Amino acid sequence: QVQLVESGGGVVQPGRDLRLSCVASGFTFGSYGMHWVRQAPGKGLEWVAVISHDGSEKQYAESVKGRFTISRDNSKTILYLLMDSLRADDTSTYYCAKDRGSYSSSIFDAWGHGTQVTVSS
Amino acid sequence: QSVLTQPPSVSGTPGQKVTIPCSGSRSSIGTSAVNWYRQFAGAAPELLIYFNNQRPSGVPDRISGAKSGTSASLAISGLQSDDEADYYCATWDDDLNGPVFGGGTKLTV
Repeated sequence: QVQLVESGGGVVQPGRDLRLSCVASGFTFGSYGMHWVRQAPGKGLEWVAVISHDGSEKQYAESVKGRFTISRDNSKTILYLLMDSLRADDTSTYYCAKDRGSYSSSIFDAWGHGTQVTVSS
Repeated sequence: QSVLTQPPSVSGTPGQKVTIPCSGSRSSIGTSAVNWYRQFAGAAPELLIYFNNQRPSGVPDRISGAKSGTSASLAISGLQSDDEADYYCATWDDDLNGPVFGGGTKLTV
């Protein structure tokens, strides 16, 4: 059974950084692309970033490009999101999601429970 | 505002059929397949429909998807109270070079 468990969220001041983690189990982690998707309080879903199965390709939403970095450790089956220069509008629940393919088919066939990030002074 | 357009809310009575529309553009729905996600209150989203009309295992056949041109729709027949949730359409956008979501539709039964 596929399981994705996020951690690392919390309250952080504007301009600071934070690293999120997502521990995966129940599938061959190194064979699939992985995404981060976020949801601001009371709002809809927003795609944030994707990384290919082997980490060689990455893409970011314009809203986070240059500030966020997605990475993965296939030996530990962990997905990461390093968030720098955080802003108030980055406040969201961050979900990690498994892609159906090896990079970005844009089909998210498994989701974690999410981790809350609040950017506030 | 979202790249894909959905009505904020739809409603229906038990047993009825409802349809949730999703409108895009040539660079999004016009080019790529549409996927649908369901999110119950306080829970994570889950995949409901992929490749326009394919159901993952466990999704009943009273839930269906369709796509035509730059629009798509999700239909739920035999409405039940536990269908109450938020529903999101999603696809790839060639201009933005990434996945995009609709704003979500709250279904009330």
